[in-house]
Amino acid sequence: KAGVTQTPRYLIKTRGQQVTLSCSPISGHRSVSWYQQTPGQGLQFLFEYFSETQRNKGNFPGRFSGRQFSNSRSEMNVSTLELGDSALYLCASSKGSFKHSTGELFFGEGSRLTVL
Amino acid sequence: DQQVKQNSPSLSVQEGRISILNCDYTNSMFDYFLWYKKYPAEGPTFLISISSIKDKNEDGRFTVFLNKSAKHLSLHIVPSQPGDSAVYFCAASDTGTASKLTFGTGTRLQVTL
Repeated sequence: KAGVTQTPRYLIKTRGQQVTLSCSPISGHRSVSWYQQTPGQGLQFLFEYFSETQRNKGNFPGRFSGRQFSNSRSEMNVSTLELGDSALYLCASSKGSFKHSTGELFFGEGSRLTVL
Repeated sequence: DQQVKQNSPSLSVQEGRISILNCDYTNSMFDYFLWYKKYPAEGPTFLISISSIKDKNEDGRFTVFLNKSAKHLSLHIVPSQPGDSAVYFCAASDTGTASKLTFGTGTRLQVTL
């Protein structure tokens, strides 16, 4: 079965610009969550969407936003880009139940953003 | 405030020997713990998990141990194989959705011949 697909894989932006990243989850998965990975910080949770509603949010400024569509595809947007936003942005999907099953998230390969 | 810590950024182990990766956490509300493995240019993949009601979980060559009183968990890989060379992330979550994970900074494991 097809995995989690993220586009674009690589992009370069300049400070002050905005960027939109896209994520297509595994078929049947209703939860999509986003993580930022930077050197020395590991993966940090941005937010999670389930059935088009934001269900959880991490400690990131309001410049980071997201949405989910009725087909479970998700986008995240970063406005007014800063140098520190350079990172690998990972999308993960799951069936999204509140009870732990395996707690398994299926990650995409990520979108690597470089801000100059 | 790093709630999940992996204090060893790297580890080198000979093929066939045991690899032990360690993880400490500070948030006593965490009740579910996971290990993910990441190869370069790929997303992390789930490896093994453990609930706080257990102290050990095995899956083939991989065993995770949880010491709640010490807020410590470890991943044992026996025997280690060259294909195990990757970055290993420890992650934790509290009661609720499994999608909001708090990750450590990762340990790069290199298995040498």
